[in-house]
Amino acid sequence: DTEVTQTPKHLVMGMTNKKSLKCEQHMGHRAMYWYKQKAKKPPELMFVYSYEKLSINESVPSRFSPECPNSSLLNLHLHALQPEDSALYLCASSQDRRGEGQYFGPGTRLTVT
Amino acid sequence: SQQGEEDPQALSIQEGENATMNCSYKTSINNLQWYRQNSGRGLVHLILIRSNEREKHSGRLRVTLDTSKKSSSLLITASRAADTASYFCATDHTGGFKTIFGAGTRLFVKA
Repeated sequence: DTEVTQTPKHLVMGMTNKKSLKCEQHMGHRAMYWYKQKAKKPPELMFVYSYEKLSINESVPSRFSPECPNSSLLNLHLHALQPEDSALYLCASSQDRRGEGQYFGPGTRLTVT
Repeated sequence: SQQGEEDPQALSIQEGENATMNCSYKTSINNLQWYRQNSGRGLVHLILIRSNEREKHSGRLRVTLDTSKKSSSLLITASRAADTASYFCATDHTGGFKTIFGAGTRLFVKA
């Protein structure tokens, strides 16, 4: 199974809502990533987890809270988002934190109203 | 800040022609990767070239790396309509484990 799955595919939320994005992989990868991608822009790294521990936090606002419950799952908890946070959120995984040959999920299209 | 910058920003070619995309970066790297993205979906890893390699092939893809010029190129030969996508180079840098994507080239292959 060489697939990274993400749920939901689409999410519309108000600025006062709390929601979570989920990501799952069963390739035995020990590094998992969250990226944010705005339209016609490249993905921007948000967080890296290595062996279920937060390895990199790219100065992301605290309204984004990552969680790695186990080696297969990665969550991104969202709270009090702003309209400018609307974007495609991509999850990825790789063998280790060197990040070579990352497998990406299809993304969650988030709209903040 | 972006590590890799790509050109052209957009490229339109006929099916059967070759497509060449270039990527430049700023700091020393361990490796450089190329990814493809179709219509705002997930990215697909195409090929990785290490800093001590100069050229690599995979099917219709050919990647070169010139560390002295801090640049790489991706050549897609005999392009097909299905190659229509955005192509991104991605670099890490020595001493870090952070993948940084270039701005991307949007390729359109006309049937």
